[in-house]
Amino acid sequence: EVQLVESGGGLVQPGGSLRLSCAASGFPFSNYAMHWVRQAPGKGLVWVSRIYSDGNIKGYADSVKGRFTISRDNAKNTLYLQMNSLRAEDTAVYYCARDFSAGDAFDIWGQGTMVTVSS
Amino acid sequence: SYELTQPPSVSVSPGQTAHITCSGDKLGEKFASWYQQKPGQSPVLVIYQDSKRPSGIPERFSGSNSGNTATLTISGTQAMDEADYYCQAWDSSTYVFGTGTKVTVL
Repeated sequence: EVQLVESGGGLVQPGGSLRLSCAASGFPFSNYAMHWVRQAPGKGLVWVSRIYSDGNIKGYADSVKGRFTISRDNAKNTLYLQMNSLRAEDTAVYYCARDFSAGDAFDIWGQGTMVTVSS
Repeated sequence: SYELTQPPSVSVSPGQTAHITCSGDKLGEKFASWYQQKPGQSPVLVIYQDSKRPSGIPERFSGSNSGNTATLTISGTQAMDEADYYCQAWDSSTYVFGTGTKVTVL
């Protein structure tokens, strides 16, 4: 079964850091670009970051550029998101998603992990 | 930055057809995708490349994209189709989601 399982969310104070993980299974992880997408409570979906299959090319939304770092370990079939200098507006459910290269879309999503930034 | 605009809500009677629009500058020159999200669940891809359905998505879901507007059509709408729907496109190395539409099956 193709599956993505996020972990690492939690409560963190403003200015703090958190690292999210996304464990992939059921497909050749190293062949796919991967993304992080977030959704604030009661709000819509917002793309956060993308990393190519070999890890060499990365992209970020302007709102997280310079604060968040995406990475991957293809040997461990795991995607990461290092989040630094967290702000209240980063509070959201964070989803990892597989890149569906056929159409610039996201075809497999994890269940999400909640990040709350609050003092 | 690129923006995609959707109507906040659409209501449809069971068995009828729902049309959900997504507007963006020259959207027809890009690929549009659509996602369904039910309460408490992760999004599900229902349409990609404007009009293609992933494996397992019912035929009642269809899509089109021309000019500045992409449209998701749900034919013979069922109660299980009640959900939030988001369009999405790629522009200048950024992936953009629409504002979302809540579909209510009355």
